Amino acid sequence: KAGVTQTPRYLIKTRGQQVTLSCSPISGHRSVSWYQQTPGQGLQFLFEYFSETQRNKGNFPGRFSGRQFSNSRSEMNVSTLELGDSALYLCASSSGPGEGNTIYFGEGSWLTVV
Amino acid sequence: DQQVKQNSPSLSVQEGRISILNCDYTNSMFDYFLWYKKYPAEGPTFLISISSIKDKNEDGRFTVFLNKSAKHLSLHIVPSQPGDSAVYFCAASDYNTDKLIFGTGTRLQVFP
Repeated sequence: KAGVTQTPRYLIKTRGQQVTLSCSPISGHRSVSWYQQTPGQGLQFLFEYFSETQRNKGNFPGRFSGRQFSNSRSEMNVSTLELGDSALYLCASSSGPGEGNTIYFGEGSWLTVV
Repeated sequence: DQQVKQNSPSLSVQEGRISILNCDYTNSMFDYFLWYKKYPAEGPTFLISISSIKDKNEDGRFTVFLNKSAKHLSLHIVPSQPGDSAVYFCAASDYNTDKLIFGTGTRLQVFP
């Protein structure tokens, strides 16, 4: 059974550009969430999606957005990139929010903004 | 406000001995807790979890203990192996959500 798949794994963008990151959850999983990891702020929650609906949103500016498709795949977008957006972006999936379901993470997408 | 805290940034343990990693939380609404192991440039790997209705959960060499009154949980690894060397994160959530609040991590080094 394939794990959570994130693409691309590495990318370099210039300040002011936008980026789209993709996540394919584990087969059968319908809940997808996103996290940002930086050396200074640690692992921080970005969004949570279930059945194409955003259930929770973290404390990030509106430049950060996401969506989930009917096949449970998810994308997140960051517009007008800033140097501080350089981070490891992690996607996680579970069979459904709550009920003590295990949450599994992908390998992440490394974003460098120059 | 850091709702989940791991006050020890690092821990060094000899192979074969017990590793104890600690985690404290402040939000009494948290009712589900997870531990993850992470290597640099990789995603977190799930280790073990515990719900607030339990005070202990075991899986092989890993045991998690939860003390709700103290808002404290710990991960015990017995026996510790060199391959356990990594950064360990505890995370907490409300049972009805996949929104995880992570601690700052503890770097475990297991030496021969």
